[in-house]
Amino acid sequence: KAGVTQTPRYLIKTRGQQVTLSCSPISGHRSVSWYQQTPGQGLQFLFEYFSETQRNKGNFPGRFSGRQFSNSRSEMNVSTLELGDSALYLCASSFHGDISTDTQYFGPGTRLTVL
Amino acid sequence: KNQVEQSPQSLIILEGKNCTLQCNYTVSPFSNLRWYKQDTGRGPVSLTIMTFSENTKSNGRYTATLDADTKQSSLHITASQLSDSASYICVVSSYNTDKLIFGTGTRLQVFP
Repeated sequence: KAGVTQTPRYLIKTRGQQVTLSCSPISGHRSVSWYQQTPGQGLQFLFEYFSETQRNKGNFPGRFSGRQFSNSRSEMNVSTLELGDSALYLCASSFHGDISTDTQYFGPGTRLTVL
Repeated sequence: KNQVEQSPQSLIILEGKNCTLQCNYTVSPFSNLRWYKQDTGRGPVSLTIMTFSENTKSNGRYTATLDADTKQSSLHITASQLSDSASYICVVSSYNTDKLIFGTGTRLQVFP
């Protein structure tokens, strides 16, 4: 079974631009979560989608948004990029998204650099 | 405030030696605790997941322990290998928030 895939793997943007990242979950998984990882803050939860609905959201500004398609693929968008948005963006999929029981499977991440 | 703290921040050991990583949490009510391994440039990979009633769980050379009374967990690595060089992240979930709370990780380096 193929793992979680994320595209692109690396991205360089300038301040003020916007960016869209893509995540394809493991086949059959309906929950997709997005995380931002920086050296100082570690992994921080952005949002979770299940069956095309945002089910949970972290403490990030409205510039960060996402969506999920009927095939469970998900996209994350960041508008008006700031230098502080430079980070590794990780996507994780699980079958139900039940944090009590499910194991999350992470993709390799997209490394975003904002200049 | 729900928090997860890990120690040490970084650790260097020689190949073949054992080591123990620590995780203290203040998350309540507690649902489960997970340990992840993250190689440089890759996403985290789950090692173990433990619920309130479990106090030990093993995955090969990795053994995690949980003391729900003191809210502490440890990850013990036996006979370390060069491939164990990675960041180890402790993650706790709470029934209340339905979210995962991540520690900032311990960076382990194993040298020959």
